[in-house]
Amino acid sequence: SQTIHQWPATLVQPVGSPLSLECTVEGTSNPNLYWYRQAAGRGLQLLFYSIGIDQISSEVPQNLSASRPQDRQFILSSKKLLLSDSGFYLCAWSVEAGTGGSDTQYFGPGTRLTVL
Amino acid sequence: GDSVTQMEGPVTLSEEAFLTINCTYTATGYPSLFWYVQYPGEGLQLLLKATKADDKGSNKGFEATYRKETTSFHLEKGSVQVSDSAVYFCALGYQAGTALIFGKGTTLSVSS
Repeated sequence: SQTIHQWPATLVQPVGSPLSLECTVEGTSNPNLYWYRQAAGRGLQLLFYSIGIDQISSEVPQNLSASRPQDRQFILSSKKLLLSDSGFYLCAWSVEAGTGGSDTQYFGPGTRLTVL
Repeated sequence: GDSVTQMEGPVTLSEEAFLTINCTYTATGYPSLFWYVQYPGEGLQLLLKATKADDKGSNKGFEATYRKETTSFHLEKGSVQVSDSAVYFCALGYQAGTALIFGKGTTLSVSS
C-alpha cells in the first residue's frame, strides 16, 4: 500500500531564515506530487505541483520554491522566510486514473510552520 | 472560475443525531467531487468521492450524492459518533496536475 511521509512535523523559525520541508511517497511509481498551504481561516491553497522529476509548476508567485530530486521525493524551500509563510503545509500525491478518471489526491500528515 | 461553497460552521450535534453538511459547487467542466476529513493536528483524509452525476460515494456510514441539477454534494450520516468530530472539506477536481478546489471547511463537534 502507498504511504506518504512529511517532516518535520512542526517547525518554528525566525523571519529571514531558510526553510526546507520534505515529502516522500512509498509504494507507487511516478506519482503526481503537490504542495498545499492551509492558513488559518483561508482554506487550502495549491503552491506547487509536479508530474515528474524536474517538472514543477508554480501556482502562486511567492518566496517559496519546490524541487523534485527523485521520483518520490518533493521538497519545499525558501531562502528567507516571511511572517506570512506561517501555516500548515500539506503534501499530496496522486496517480492518473486514466481515460475519464479523476485525479484523487492523498495527503500527508502535514508540517506546522510558525515563523516568528 | 470554479468554486466550492460549504455551510458555515461549527455544527454541534449530540451523539446519534443525523448529520447533513451542505456543499454546492460552481464548475466550468465536469469535475469529480470529494469529501475530505481533517482530525485535529492531522492531514486530510479522503472520506468519499463521486466521479460523475448521480454517483453516490459512501464510506464509514457517510454518504454523498453528486447532484448535477442542483450542483450539490451534501454529506450525510445517519448517526454521528463523538469520534466523528473533525473538520470536513468538500472539494472538486479535474485531471492530474491541477489543484483540488476546496471549500473553507465545516467544523463538526459531537458530544456524548
